[in-house]
Amino acid sequence: GDSVTQMEGPVTLSEEAFLTINCTYTATGYPSLFWYVQYPGEGLQLLLKATKADDKGSNKGFEATYRKETTSFHLEKGSVQVSDSAVYFCALSGVFGNEKLTFGTGTRLTIIP
Amino acid sequence: EAGVAQSPRYKIIEKRQSVAFWCNPISGHATLYWYQQILGQGPKLLIQFQNNGVVDDSQLPKDRFSAERLKGVDSTLKIQPAKLEDSAVYLCASSSRDRRLARRTDTQYFGPGTRLTVL
Repeated sequence: GDSVTQMEGPVTLSEEAFLTINCTYTATGYPSLFWYVQYPGEGLQLLLKATKADDKGSNKGFEATYRKETTSFHLEKGSVQVSDSAVYFCALSGVFGNEKLTFGTGTRLTIIP
Repeated sequence: EAGVAQSPRYKIIEKRQSVAFWCNPISGHATLYWYQQILGQGPKLLIQFQNNGVVDDSQLPKDRFSAERLKGVDSTLKIQPAKLEDSAVYLCASSSRDRRLARRTDTQYFGPGTRLTVL
């Protein structure tokens, strides 16, 4: 079945550091790929998404590129801020008839001033 | 636009008791999902509705869990009787299928969740 493997956490970085959170997936066909973020005390929010190979999703300075050849969707940000402290989830979904999201285990990110 | 609403936000019960959670999706969203998120794990789908019909309930423990969406809008998830391992956050999400596109690109919008503690 479909699965998502995400970089183990927690991750602690200093403000303005470069961030990479690795995500790889196993799926049949051509899934859509997502990064969701969960800020402290809040619900899951979509951060960015990509629906086909070589697509780049971006939002709030975060980027991720859909790499079919390596089945990866790594999350990157050039300069993190304290407000980026949250739990980040990589997820995939299938095409019509199989829209459920399959999530990774989440990576807790803490940014130190 | 109002988001996905869930209630209650927190619930504490003893094992073998019953509990019910309510979800009101974003207006006009035909697809509704219930996920279970155990502490330290990613959410796992329990059931998916398209309007008032069930699309996928393969991961729903049907001996104790039930869910309904009678009028294709609000939904209720029930656990009867609860077990200790049911302690989790129960998330409701909704999405709207864009039929103009050949491939699905729906975004699922999540509610704040209900945190259940079973003692």
